Amino acid sequence: SQQGEEDPQALSIQEGENATMNCSYKTSINNLQWYRQNSGRGLVHLILIRSNEREKHSGRLRVTLDTSKKSSSLLITASRAADTASYFCATALINTGGFKTIFGAGTRLFVKA
Amino acid sequence: SQTIHQWPATLVQPVGSPLSLECTVEGTSNPNLYWYRQAAGRGLQLLFYSVGIGQISSEVPQNLSASRPQDRQFILSSKKLLLSDSGFYLCAWSGSQRTTYNEQFFGPGTRLTVL
Repeated sequence: SQQGEEDPQALSIQEGENATMNCSYKTSINNLQWYRQNSGRGLVHLILIRSNEREKHSGRLRVTLDTSKKSSSLLITASRAADTASYFCATALINTGGFKTIFGAGTRLFVKA
Repeated sequence: SQTIHQWPATLVQPVGSPLSLECTVEGTSNPNLYWYRQAAGRGLQLLFYSVGIGQISSEVPQNLSASRPQDRQFILSSKKLLLSDSGFYLCAWSGSQRTTYNEQFFGPGTRLTVL
């Protein structure tokens, strides 16, 4: 089974609203990353949070990590139509030295203009 | 700056035919290289990764293979394609240092349809 599981699978919001996506994982990690994928394209790295960090910001993105609950959330504030994409969490596993990164199934975000 | 290329962008192949997808990276040396497959509407499945020339680690037993004949070239191959090989194939690279190998940079992908 996949290491990372995103929730919800799909999310539809109005432009200007905030979007929150969650990710849960099963085993101990070195770090957790969030990626974005526009339809039919490659993935783009958004943000990385290390296992000893609890919160990280990058522009309109805010990521939290709770290692006790093995979960992370990605918040996009003041969403725009251009934020429409699929968002994936990815975890780097401790027992593989970090080379192996496991991706979740993703959350498909649709922002209506 | 670094760039990653994949080709072809799309491919339609009959069942039983061979496959060769190529990925090249420019602007960096000794990268870690990865091949992923993405089924429609799903996440990424790691197929192979490589930490150096000729060094390939396979994550999923299947009829696909990978090779790294040069430092910045990664090839995904199959001798005989199956219907289940259809999908979106993504190549990625990352730095090889512990502080850099977790951020991966993805190519544009190859959409493979096996008929």
